[in-house]
Amino acid sequence: GEDVEQSLFLSVREGDSSVINCTYTDSSSTYLYWYKQEPGAGLQLLTYIFSNMDMKQDQRLTVLLNKKDKHLSLRIADTQTGDSAIYFCALSGGYQKVTFGTGTKLQVIP
Amino acid sequence: EAQVTQNPRYLITVTGKKLTVTCSQNMNHEYMSWYRQDPGLGLRQIYYSMNVEVTDKGDVPEGYKVSRKEKRNFPLILESPSPNQTSLYFCASSSQGFGNSPLHFGNGTRLTVT
Repeated sequence: GEDVEQSLFLSVREGDSSVINCTYTDSSSTYLYWYKQEPGAGLQLLTYIFSNMDMKQDQRLTVLLNKKDKHLSLRIADTQTGDSAIYFCALSGGYQKVTFGTGTKLQVIP
Repeated sequence: EAQVTQNPRYLITVTGKKLTVTCSQNMNHEYMSWYRQDPGLGLRQIYYSMNVEVTDKGDVPEGYKVSRKEKRNFPLILESPSPNQTSLYFCASSSQGFGNSPLHFGNGTRLTVT
C-alpha cells in the first residue's frame, strides 16, 4: 500500500516561513491534500492540489508538488502563533481511499 | 451549521465492557469513515461506508464493528475493548468519496481502556 512520510516536528520563529514536507511512494493519486489539526479538534482541510499541477498558491500558503521525486510540500509565509498545529498531508487513492501521513507538529516561537 | 458530531468526547472504560461511539453528520453525505490517530502513525482507517447498509473494512478493522442504518449516522462499536484500542478516534464524512473530495471531521473521541 501507499506509504506517506512526514517529519514529526518543526519549530520556527514567528514571522519566518515554515516548510512542511511529505514524501510518498504511490504516484497514482489524483488529489493531494493538506489538513490542519488544532489541539482538541478534528482535522480541517487547508488546501489541496491536483496531481497535474506543480504549484498552488492560496494567500499565505504555497503547495509544491514534485512528481518525479514524489515530494509534496506546504510553505506557510509569515508564520503566526495561530499556525501552531499538527499538519497532515493526505493522498487520494480513488473514491474509496485516502492515506494520511504521520503528521508534522509545527511549533511557532514568539 | 454543517458539521460532524461525535459523542462522547472522552471515554474511560475497562477491558471487555462493550461501548459505542456515535457519529452523526448533517450534510447528507453518502461516504462516512472512522479513523484512529496514534502518535507517529498518523490516521488509520478502521471502517468506511459508501451508503446506507454498505460498509467495508479499512486498514485496521480488528476489534471494531460499525453499522449504517441511516444516512446520517455511523456508530463505532467495540464489543470487547482492549488496552491496545486506547486511542483518539475520528469520524469523517465526504460528499464524493474519500479521495475525490475533502473530508469533514468530527472533533474526536479520546478513548482509554484500562
